[in-house]
Amino acid sequence: QKEVEQDPGPLSVPEGAIVSLNCTYSNSAFQYFMWYRQYSRKGPELLMYTYSSGNKEDGRFTAQVDKSSKYISLFIRDSQPSDSATYLCASRPQAGTALIFGKGTTLSVSS
Amino acid sequence: DSGVTQTPKHLITATGQRVTLRCSPRSGDLSVYWYQQSLDQGLQFLIQYYNGEERAKGNILERFSAQQFPDLHSELNLSSLELGDSALYFCASTPTSGGDNEQFFGPGTRLTVL
Repeated sequence: QKEVEQDPGPLSVPEGAIVSLNCTYSNSAFQYFMWYRQYSRKGPELLMYTYSSGNKEDGRFTAQVDKSSKYISLFIRDSQPSDSATYLCASRPQAGTALIFGKGTTLSVSS
Repeated sequence: DSGVTQTPKHLITATGQRVTLRCSPRSGDLSVYWYQQSLDQGLQFLIQYYNGEERAKGNILERFSAQQFPDLHSELNLSSLELGDSALYFCASTPTSGGDNEQFFGPGTRLTVL
């Protein structure tokens, strides 16, 4: 079992839809949780970062971590065609250590 | 643009060969991470260097090695290449080794082994 599991999709939604992307993790030591966005033929870029449990909001994006169920979520409101990309969840037990990534979910938003 | 550069962008080679991938971190960043991204395994951590010293190892094969030079650029050497080594190779950099810093990823090198 991989330490971070993510449904690869693909996920197709119409413009304006609310998107929910999810990951589960198995290592209780994980404390830092990130969402990266990766456009085709580009490197991943950090989208959201959360430490421990709770919610974090940034514009149309909300990241949610539930450590009791080891569940990580990313919500995208009012999705746009420019949101079409692969979304990677990642985690690590300590600051400065390497990231453990899920396989990524490919999202397509149609106009 | 993350400020991390990687060369070459694409590399096509044959099985059994050796290649070197190069990464220049963002200006001032001392720590470099190498990752491999394949369709079946996703993005996997290979190795980390900090200021010229190896700091952590992940799922790096013995056929692979890396180093970080005094000017802080890093090279990943892949030898005795196999078809399964075909993948995207990314490096990422952060200012320090510890601390809670964002990892900035380069654009990657796409390696194809024929």
